[in-house]
Amino acid sequence: ETGVTQSPTHLIKTRGQQVTLRCSSQSGHNTVSWYQQALGQGPQFIFQYYREEENGRGNFPPRFSGLQFPNYSSELNVNALELDDSALYLCASSLSSGENSPLHFGNGTRLTVT
Amino acid sequence: QKEVEQNSGPLSVPEGAIASLNCTYSDRVSQSFFWYRQYSGKSPELIMSIYSNGDKEDGRFTAQLNKASQYVSLLIRDSQPSDSATYLCAVTRGNAGGTSYGKLTFGQGTILTVHP
Repeated sequence: ETGVTQSPTHLIKTRGQQVTLRCSSQSGHNTVSWYQQALGQGPQFIFQYYREEENGRGNFPPRFSGLQFPNYSSELNVNALELDDSALYLCASSLSSGENSPLHFGNGTRLTVT
Repeated sequence: QKEVEQNSGPLSVPEGAIASLNCTYSDRVSQSFFWYRQYSGKSPELIMSIYSNGDKEDGRFTAQLNKASQYVSLLIRDSQPSDSATYLCAVTRGNAGGTSYGKLTFGQGTILTVHP
């Protein structure tokens, strides 16, 4: 049990639409990171939020945006959906400090864009 | 060249054998290294972390790190059918925790099948 929960578990959208994915961090964790995992690939880092500010971004276009709330929960928003956005989206939380705080993932949201 | 490369699979081993999974990385500044296991349709699950050169053992799992060769491996002893999964190698520049632990670069994964 990782303590990181994501919703919804599955989602089907049409190309051009917008989507919001949600993540509730593990208790006490103040950092949240989002990853995209296409079928047959390893996860790719989208961005990280720390204290409600974006704290690093991977190679993703601006139509991928996020928010972190005071309770450390987070949202990932994707505008103008494309077929290639179909993937498993993973949220993970961690502590900003402390050696023994590696990343633990939620169960993910499977997004299908048609 | 990919930033993190894993040995191409799938890898098939008999039950009870040693499974050897390999990973190389290109960023010499990388400090922290992780192995995740991912069952089909599930999210990655952390099984090992290693930060210093040498071996680190945890039960049937041993991680090996050689920073000079930019190489990290995972050995699974006495492999069981339940070990059948995709194994993901991940690296980050950060050490001693911090927000850098959230910014992982993953390899493409190696599919391991353990047959009875």
